[in-house]
Amino acid sequence: EAGVTQFPSHSVIEKGQTVTLRCDPISGHDNLYWYRRVMGKEIKFLLHFVKESKQDESGMPNNRFLAERTGGTYSTLKVQPAELEDSGVYFCASSRNRGTGELFFGEGSRLTVL
Amino acid sequence: AQSVTQLDSHVSVSEGTPVLLRCNYSSSYSPSLFWYVQHPNKGLQLLLKYTSAATLVKGINGFEAEFKKSETSFHLTKPSAHMSDAAEYFCVVSDQTSGTYKYIFGTGTRLKVLA
Repeated sequence: EAGVTQFPSHSVIEKGQTVTLRCDPISGHDNLYWYRRVMGKEIKFLLHFVKESKQDESGMPNNRFLAERTGGTYSTLKVQPAELEDSGVYFCASSRNRGTGELFFGEGSRLTVL
Repeated sequence: AQSVTQLDSHVSVSEGTPVLLRCNYSSSYSPSLFWYVQHPNKGLQLLLKYTSAATLVKGINGFEAEFKKSETSFHLTKPSAHMSDAAEYFCVVSDQTSGTYKYIFGTGTRLKVLA
């Protein structure tokens, strides 16, 4: 089966611009997670979808970040307007079972804000 | 809230010698614990997981970890390091305390294997 895919793998934008990251989970995985790793720091939880519903968005840093998962399939994470501190690697993961199940990760989208 | 502490940010071992990567967790409930590995420019890959079954868990590539509730530890070991083990390793606990399910990551341990 196809794994989790993320697009783009790398994006370089200027402060104030908008970027949209996309994640395609493994087919049949209802749970979709977004994480972010800022350089030198830990991998931090952003939010969790169950199908198309936001189960937990407590990790979203501020209202410049908007995540959607229309139809419960792929998800997008939009940053608008981007700030310098948004630079980092954004990981998407999916799982079949909540809590005890293995997370399957994409290779990440590296965002650089200049 | 649950948390994970990886005690070493960097570990260096010689090829063929044992590997020990330390992880301590805090949890109010019976936790699920995982070890993930990330090779450069790759996604994170599951090495092994503990979900309340056997306390000694065997994973891929010869790695194993032991869940010790009394010590709140889940250390990762391998008897003999290989050059291909050089990567960053993350200990992860599943947080179910708030009724939701987020996986909490440790800060990572970068393993270097010397020839």
